[in-house]
Amino acid sequence: QKEVEQDPGPLSVPEGAIVSLNCTYSNSAFQYFMWYRQYSRKGPELLMYTYSSGNKEDGRFTAQVDKSSKYISLFIRDSQPSDSATYLCAMTLTGGGNKLTFGTGTQLKVEL
Amino acid sequence: GAGVSQSPSNKVTEKGKDVELRCDPISGHTALYWYRQSLGQGLEFLIYFQGNSAPDKSGLPSDRFSAERTGGSVSTLTIQRTQQEDSAVYLCASSLAPHSGGEKLFFGSGTQLSVL
Repeated sequence: QKEVEQDPGPLSVPEGAIVSLNCTYSNSAFQYFMWYRQYSRKGPELLMYTYSSGNKEDGRFTAQVDKSSKYISLFIRDSQPSDSATYLCAMTLTGGGNKLTFGTGTQLKVEL
Repeated sequence: GAGVSQSPSNKVTEKGKDVELRCDPISGHTALYWYRQSLGQGLEFLIYFQGNSAPDKSGLPSDRFSAERTGGSVSTLTIQRTQQEDSAVYLCASSLAPHSGGEKLFFGSGTQLSVL
């Protein structure tokens, strides 16, 4: 079993929909949680970063961490075609020196 | 440069040949990472350099893989006697400095390696 599980999709939604992306993990020592967005043939770019449990909002994006359930989510409101990409969750330990453990990524397509 | 630069962007090689992949991190970034992205496997940590400290090589899959970082800047990942299972996208990332964790990583666009 992988340390981080993520549904690979693909997930197809109409423009304007609310998108929910999720990851589960097994290592309770993970403290830092991130979401990266990766466009085709590009490197991942950091979207959201959360320390420990709680919610964080940035524009149309909201990240949630539930450490008791070992479950993290990314919500995208008013989704746009430009949001079409692969979304990767990532996490690391305190003192982990940024040795991130990634999910496999969920491919999202937002249709006009 | 403005971002992390990797070269070549694509590399096709024959099984058994050696390959070298290059990474130019963002100027001033002291931490440099190599990850491998295989189809359906997500990103896999390979190696991490921080300043003048000994690199963390714990993610290298075999002794055919090695990396160096010269002058605290440019890094080269070398794969000797390539195998077909080495085919993947090799991504380099840099960051200002790792603290306790969660420092923002800036990734390059990667090198797509195909071993025939």
